[in-house]
Amino acid sequence: GAVVSQHPSWVICKSGTSVKIECRSLDFQATTMFWYRQFPKQSLMLMATSNEGSKATYEQGVEKDKFLINHASLTLSTLTVTSAHPEDSSFYICSASFDHTSYNEQFFGPGTRLTVL
Amino acid sequence: DQQVKQNSPSLSVQEGRISILNCDYTNSMFDYFLWYKKYPAEGPTFLISISSIKDKNEDGRFTVFLNKSAKHLSLHIVPSQPGDSAVYFCAASAAHNYGQNFVFGPGTRLSVLP
Repeated sequence: GAVVSQHPSWVICKSGTSVKIECRSLDFQATTMFWYRQFPKQSLMLMATSNEGSKATYEQGVEKDKFLINHASLTLSTLTVTSAHPEDSSFYICSASFDHTSYNEQFFGPGTRLTVL
Repeated sequence: DQQVKQNSPSLSVQEGRISILNCDYTNSMFDYFLWYKKYPAEGPTFLISISSIKDKNEDGRFTVFLNKSAKHLSLHIVPSQPGDSAVYFCAASAAHNYGQNFVFGPGTRLSVLP
């Protein structure tokens, strides 16, 4: 149980285009979904936290107009990188958790490798 | 300022021996800690966690020790297996976030040599 999927697993796009990444919790309803970014040989950096039906909470330094997050349902969150540039190339990972009233680990998706040319 | 530190970027261990991965934190509000394992091009997978009311938690070959006074925790893997070769992330959270908003360390790459 507690499987999280991401689509696509990798994407290559031209500079200036927008890319949408989907994160789905397959066998549970996620109270909260998180979006992380990982640069090569570095740790996961939390970008934003989203709860179903409400606006995402962005971490300091993350442009909310560039990284649009939509948490449309308890099983789906999307991250759209708008007007992508080469510096946005990274590994994007989502995670999901349930039951915000107690400690729970986050269940991570397999990640999406974005390359902007 | 890094709140969660893993000072060893890499570690090599012989198969069958013990692997000890260390993690230090600076925020005294952290009271829940987790270890994640990550293979290349994959998302992290949860390994083991510990809350601040304990000083040890064991699950099979994996044991996590917590020293609150030193703000230090360690992950022991015994015996180490080649399949354990991966990057290990230590993560921490504070009570007011209900364990949701984790701060990750930079990771330690473990190589288990056959």
